[in-house]
Amino acid sequence: QSVLTQPPSVSGAPGQRVTISCTGSSSNFGAGYGVHWYQHLPGTAPKLLICDNNNRPSGVPDRFSGSKSGTSASLAITGLQAEDEADYYCQSYDSSLSGSVFGGGTKLTVL
Amino acid sequence: QVQLVESGGGVVQPGRSLRLSCAASGFTFSAYGIHWVRQAPGKGLEWLAFISYVGTNKYYADSVKGRFTVSRDNSKNTLYLQMNSLREEDTAVYYCAKDITGTTPYYYMDVWGKGTTVTVSS
Repeated sequence: QSVLTQPPSVSGAPGQRVTISCTGSSSNFGAGYGVHWYQHLPGTAPKLLICDNNNRPSGVPDRFSGSKSGTSASLAITGLQAEDEADYYCQSYDSSLSGSVFGGGTKLTVL
Repeated sequence: QVQLVESGGGVVQPGRSLRLSCAASGFTFSAYGIHWVRQAPGKGLEWLAFISYVGTNKYYADSVKGRFTVSRDNSKNTLYLQMNSLREEDTAVYYCAKDITGTTPYYYMDVWGKGTTVTVSS
């Protein structure tokens, strides 16, 4: 059971918009710690997608955006492309655990 | 370019030990904290440990506290993970990942290695 809760899977057709939710608690998001998102393809290194709630590192397309409100966060992907099919993870710091935490991951399927 | 390369994985029997290494290049290794993260087969990413830039501050997940030890040699640009009393549930791909800061694991990981596989089996 992950400290951060994500849906196991989401799907969408090419060109559509999908969102992936990440629910935290008062010891992580609610305590003011940021949410960060990673894209992970099997057999490869995870890639930082969104940092500090809603910031895109250089090279990440603006089709990807993040938001955070209270103890919840979400990742939105617009103009869905086949290459977006991957696993997506949210991550934060948890003060009760004194460590970093990941969500359980969400598998995105492009139909 | 900025790079992290893990090594040291393999097959090991339950109860035995293994040491993983993470070689860094392309950035000032001694200025950044580094994390260890793993992914068990069919599971998600699990954060394991963090070590600060000079190695004085260390943080561990409860699942490995007391069994795993993170350390670093800044003269060799290398991070280590000493894994003792290994269990079958420690079977996973192990990644090292660079933090954007040097002292605490409060933030995020901007560079990741490709991982090394550890299999714990009799």
